[in-house]
Amino acid sequence: DGGITQSPKYLFRKEGQNVTLSCEQNLNHDAMYWYRQDPGQGLRLIYYSQIVNDFQKGDIAEGYSVSREKKESFPLTVTSAQKNPTAFYLCASSIPYLAEQFFGPGTRLTVL
Amino acid sequence: GENVEQHPSTLSVQEGDSAVIKCTYSDSASNYFPWYKQELGKGPQLIIDIRSNVGEKKDQRIAVTLNKTAKHFSLHITETQPEDSAVYFCAAAQYNNNDMRFGAGTRLTVKP
Repeated sequence: DGGITQSPKYLFRKEGQNVTLSCEQNLNHDAMYWYRQDPGQGLRLIYYSQIVNDFQKGDIAEGYSVSREKKESFPLTVTSAQKNPTAFYLCASSIPYLAEQFFGPGTRLTVL
Repeated sequence: GENVEQHPSTLSVQEGDSAVIKCTYSDSASNYFPWYKQELGKGPQLIIDIRSNVGEKKDQRIAVTLNKTAKHFSLHITETQPEDSAVYFCAAAQYNNNDMRFGAGTRLTVKP
């Protein structure tokens, strides 16, 4: 089955620790995205990548980092510089320059 | 940049009634308007979309209308069922780029 997978589903982190969220897709999409979702709010773009080895900051990139070494994978690292990292993180992918985005199931990150 | 506003934030209807969710956008260059349904703890799923060259699109019990002049679009769900209960997000984008902006979401509850 084609789709987007995110792991883990739940993640707990102590303050001051970096943590990496995984996102993998087998849809052969070139573009991938990371969004943050807070309760009662819409999705806010963290980073996006339109092609391997290239990525761009979204609206709320501070405290986050990404890499795009493979077409299928777009991991997100939440660093200790992110002041309020507790949130639901969603990964998406699309064919570049076509707007339909397909979302993964999400990772819920909680900072203890 | 684009700004999308969505109303209402919560909506409760009786099973069998219709539900309408409205969104406005600010950027006249936006030409693609998807609607996503998000169930608890899951990623958003595309349920219907419309492009600016049409005014209405229907898929069984779901329809979307677009008024380009007024810059607003609406989701209509007829004959609602309890399984329609979820959070619904509208979004606006330009079809030739990847910058999609989301509304804050509407929590729809269908009472049996």
